[in-house]
Amino acid sequence: GENVEQHPSTLSVQEGDSAVIKCTYSDSASNYFPWYKQELGKGPQLIIDIRSNVGEKKDQRIAVTLNKTAKHFSLHITETQPEDSAVYFCAASDLGGANNLFFGTGTRLTVIP
Amino acid sequence: DSGVTQTPKHLITATGQRVTLRCSPRSGDLSVYWYQQSLDQGLQFLIQYYNGEERAKGNILERFSAQQFPDLHSELNLSSLELGDSALYFCASSVRQGAQTQYFGPGTRLTVL
Repeated sequence: GENVEQHPSTLSVQEGDSAVIKCTYSDSASNYFPWYKQELGKGPQLIIDIRSNVGEKKDQRIAVTLNKTAKHFSLHITETQPEDSAVYFCAASDLGGANNLFFGTGTRLTVIP
Repeated sequence: DSGVTQTPKHLITATGQRVTLRCSPRSGDLSVYWYQQSLDQGLQFLIQYYNGEERAKGNILERFSAQQFPDLHSELNLSSLELGDSALYFCASSVRQGAQTQYFGPGTRLTVL
């Protein structure tokens, strides 16, 4: 089955700096890669996603890049704010198959004011 | 608010007992997924239902079972509970099987004493 690895496990940045979280996946059949943000006591919330036919996607301060050949994808957050502090999960799935998500182990991001 | 509801929010029970977790998907969503989030295993896919039928199984124990009812709500039944079953259980829904976006509920925190 799919195996998703995520690094780093913790990340601290100063407010206004950028944060980058990286993930790799193992199954070449995976074609959909969402990123979720989980705040304390809440369920994961989708913040951005990318499909395998696209190399990069941006939504305001958040961007995701995908390298299909190397089987890795990354989340970039620019101009970080204290409210960006949370746990971020990457995931992978095969939309043509069962579509269940395989999650990375999470990155705890702390933005220091 | 994702539109996915889960009850109860918290559940405390003893080893050997049986519990039922309930999930109501977003209005119009036909597909329901169950995930388990524990400290040592991270977020793991358990089982998926689509319009009342089981469509995919992940790392779900034989002591666990689920079903989706005609009104599309779903229940996850956990029996012969063990200490290691203590975790957060999330339900997610999507419009249809293969639809890319899964919306997560707030979760049920299960504590087995």
